[in-house]
Amino acid sequence: RKEVEQDPGPFNVPEGATVAFNCTYSNSASQSFFWYRQDCRKEPKLLMSVYSSGNEDGRFTAQLNRASQYISLLIRDSKLSDSATYLCVALPRDMRFGAGTRLTVKP
Amino acid sequence: DTAVSQTPKYLVTQMGNDKSIKCEQNLGHDTMYWYKQDSKKFLKIMFSYNNKELIINETVPNRFSPKSPDKAHLNLHINSLELGDSAVYFCASSRRDSALWGYTFGSGTRLTVV
Repeated sequence: RKEVEQDPGPFNVPEGATVAFNCTYSNSASQSFFWYRQDCRKEPKLLMSVYSSGNEDGRFTAQLNRASQYISLLIRDSKLSDSATYLCVALPRDMRFGAGTRLTVKP
Repeated sequence: DTAVSQTPKYLVTQMGNDKSIKCEQNLGHDTMYWYKQDSKKFLKIMFSYNNKELIINETVPNRFSPKSPDKAHLNLHINSLELGDSAVYFCASSRRDSALWGYTFGSGTRLTVV
């Protein structure tokens, strides 16, 4: 079983849509969680950290459920520029990545 | 100034060759990593070094040997390259409190073994 599991998608949504990604992690010792964004043929870049109480950054909301070992990312009012692969990350000792969820936002 | 820089960006080589990829970070971070991203886009950790000391060595063939001459550099040497080594290799670095700030990645080295 992979340490971090994500729905690979692809998710194809129209501009302005709200889209949610989910992720589960297997190592209960994981202390920190992140969402990274990776554009085609580029390096992963930090999108946001995920805090226990949930956190929001503009159109992006991240949530953590430790009991269910579950992380989510909600994107509201999708833009064309949001098209990318979104990687869920859990950090027990080092960063363990999910396989990524591919999002395409269409006009 | 690039924070984490890798060279070369592209590397095409024949099976059986030995090659190196270099990584340097100017962020003053304590820890550096090598990740491999295969054709299925899965990003998997290979090695982690903290202040020149090997911390993590995942199940990686011993043809792969990391070398850290100082805490700002972590190079990856690969012996006897195989077709299955073709992938994108990312170097990354982090502060000691990476739990708060995550990792910063280099732009990747696309290795193609023919």
